[in-house]
Amino acid sequence: IAGITQAPTSQILAAGRRMTLRCTQDMRHNAMYWYRQDLGLGLRLIHYSNTAGTTGKGEVPDGYSVSRANTDDFPLTLASAVPSQTSVYFCASSDSAGSTGELFFGEGSRLTVL
Amino acid sequence: GQNIDQPTEMTATEGAIVQINCTYQTSGFNGLFWYQQHAGEAPTFLSYNVLDGLEEKGRFSSFLSRSKGYSYLLLKELQMKDSASYLCAVNDDYKLSFGAGTTVTVRA
Repeated sequence: IAGITQAPTSQILAAGRRMTLRCTQDMRHNAMYWYRQDLGLGLRLIHYSNTAGTTGKGEVPDGYSVSRANTDDFPLTLASAVPSQTSVYFCASSDSAGSTGELFFGEGSRLTVL
Repeated sequence: GQNIDQPTEMTATEGAIVQINCTYQTSGFNGLFWYQQHAGEAPTFLSYNVLDGLEEKGRFSSFLSRSKGYSYLLLKELQMKDSASYLCAVNDDYKLSFGAGTTVTVRA
């Protein structure tokens, strides 16, 4: 049972470079989310998608973009990475939109921007 | 989220009980979650409260008072494997905000 798969697990990136974090789920969940987790700040929502074809902005969307072409995939793109985007990124999914259901998280992608 | 408060750290002895409090402010409350996160791992779901009262699930219980904007997670019969961070998350107007987490250390 795979659940949610994120790639890469870890990446070191030069500032200014473009980076896409991949997220795939096999649970046929409608809702998907991207969070970043920083020490002392907890998990903060970047972008979300309640269903394929729709996306929305979370608490900290600037510098990030997402797409939801199908139910399974929800990639997160940093168009031009900056050091403040150094973080651990978690993708999550839920069978309930509007954050009313249990979230299932991927294992995380640790990104370092130099 | 800035409107969710929980203690930063707690330490307890194996076999003991620990209560982690969470206070919050919302404009449109739609439920409160507790997640467990071991160091270097992904968060995993523990409990969900949407109505006032106590929800019990094995050694873990979660309580909610909507009028007080207050919840707690009770961990009983602590085991070493319970050493982890515990995250309080509140659904406010259908968006989930997380507290910074409480790191619980269980000592032998």
